[in-house]
Amino acid sequence: EVQLVQSGAEVKKPGESLKISCKGSGYSFTSYWIGWVRQMPGKGLEWMGIIYPGDSDTRYSPSFQGQVTISADKSISTAYLQWSSLKASDTAMYYCARLAASGGLLLFWGQGTLVTVSS
Amino acid sequence: QSALTQPASVSGSPGQSITISCTGTSSDVGSYDLVSWYQQSPGKSPKVLIYEVTKRPSGVSDRYSGSKSGNTASLTISGLQAEDEADYYCCSYTGSGSLFGTGTTVTVL
Repeated sequence: EVQLVQSGAEVKKPGESLKISCKGSGYSFTSYWIGWVRQMPGKGLEWMGIIYPGDSDTRYSPSFQGQVTISADKSISTAYLQWSSLKASDTAMYYCARLAASGGLLLFWGQGTLVTVSS
Repeated sequence: QSALTQPASVSGSPGQSITISCTGTSSDVGSYDLVSWYQQSPGKSPKVLIYEVTKRPSGVSDRYSGSKSGNTASLTISGLQAEDEADYYCCSYTGSGSLFGTGTTVTVL
């Protein structure tokens, strides 16, 4: 069974750094792209970017390029989303999802990680 | 990149059919048959309903169907049920990534 388990909720202050995780199991972690999706409070889904853990090839949405870093450690089947300096506007639920073999479909989803940034 | 355009809300009575539109451009929806639809219930992660415009994953009810014409994709829910109350999002491949729609809240009257 494919599973994506995300790290727990975080409460941070503006300017702090943060790295959240997404651990995949039940499939070959290095063979499928993993994506990250943002959902701000009461708002819609936003596609942030994807990574191919096999070779760390990464693609970002223009809206998120330079704002976050997506990475992966294939030795522990885990993908990451990180910020170097959080802003209040980063407050959101963040989902990771494993893509299908082709076509960009976000097929399997994690449970989400709530990030709250407040002074 | 602007989000694909969906109506903010659609409603219908039990048993009726409703259709949600998703309008993009010739650079996304119009160029690729790679439109998917997701259902999100309150407090839950999104779930795939339709992929590649018309295909349903195994386990998804055949009451959900998808179509596309030009730059607009559509999701139809037939035989509306109370359990269909949720938010619905379209998503299209863009050539360099993907783009979600603005989202539609479905209300069963």
